Amino acid sequence: SQQGEEDPQALSIQEGENATMNCSYKTSINNLQWYRQNSGRGLVHLILIRSNEREKHSGRLRVTLDTSKKSSSLLITASRAADTASYFCATSDSSNFGNEKLTFGTGTRLTIIP
Amino acid sequence: EPEVTQTPSHQVTQMGQEVILRCVPISNHLYFYWYRQILGQKVEFLVSFYNNEISEKSEIFDDQFSVERPDGSNFTLKIRSTKLEDSAMYFCASSGPGTATRGFGPGTRLTVT
Repeated sequence: SQQGEEDPQALSIQEGENATMNCSYKTSINNLQWYRQNSGRGLVHLILIRSNEREKHSGRLRVTLDTSKKSSSLLITASRAADTASYFCATSDSSNFGNEKLTFGTGTRLTIIP
Repeated sequence: EPEVTQTPSHQVTQMGQEVILRCVPISNHLYFYWYRQILGQKVEFLVSFYNNEISEKSEIFDDQFSVERPDGSNFTLKIRSTKLEDSAMYFCASSGPGTATRGFGPGTRLTVT
């Protein structure tokens, strides 16, 4: 598999339920970031977790990182129709913050059913 | 909140033509990037730029591509002779020193016919 693969590829849930998306990667990383992309639009940064962190929260978002399994999960609690979007993980292998490339995953298309 | 802006939002060009995609990064950022996303595929890194020179580029970024920061605010991506396979959404991004998070622009959809 390639660096940064999300699963599932697509997820449909009822509004109010929790959505969990997973990301796996292959190489060592310095940090992992999650982005949201509404259809045909730009990327919105959601949250960053560093390689020495295991869990991070931001509002209704919870991200976990397991470097031993080279995987991360994004949990969105109490989903809303506005959460409908594609979600991408992106990894960086550099500690040179600000000057490193991101390697994006394949994305999970999340649909929230009202 | 400051944002990265890109123009045009959509560009249609004929194969073989030159195109210039423009970006205005967030004003206090020092690092600039171009990424592209072919329809239905993952976002791919093209190039990073710092201190008026390329820091890193991918294998996609061949001699047909070039970047420039012509003044204190704009950051451009030029494709000299477009091919059909250059059709994609092109995203500009910028970041400041000491932070790994990116501000991404809304993208320019390039269609090569």
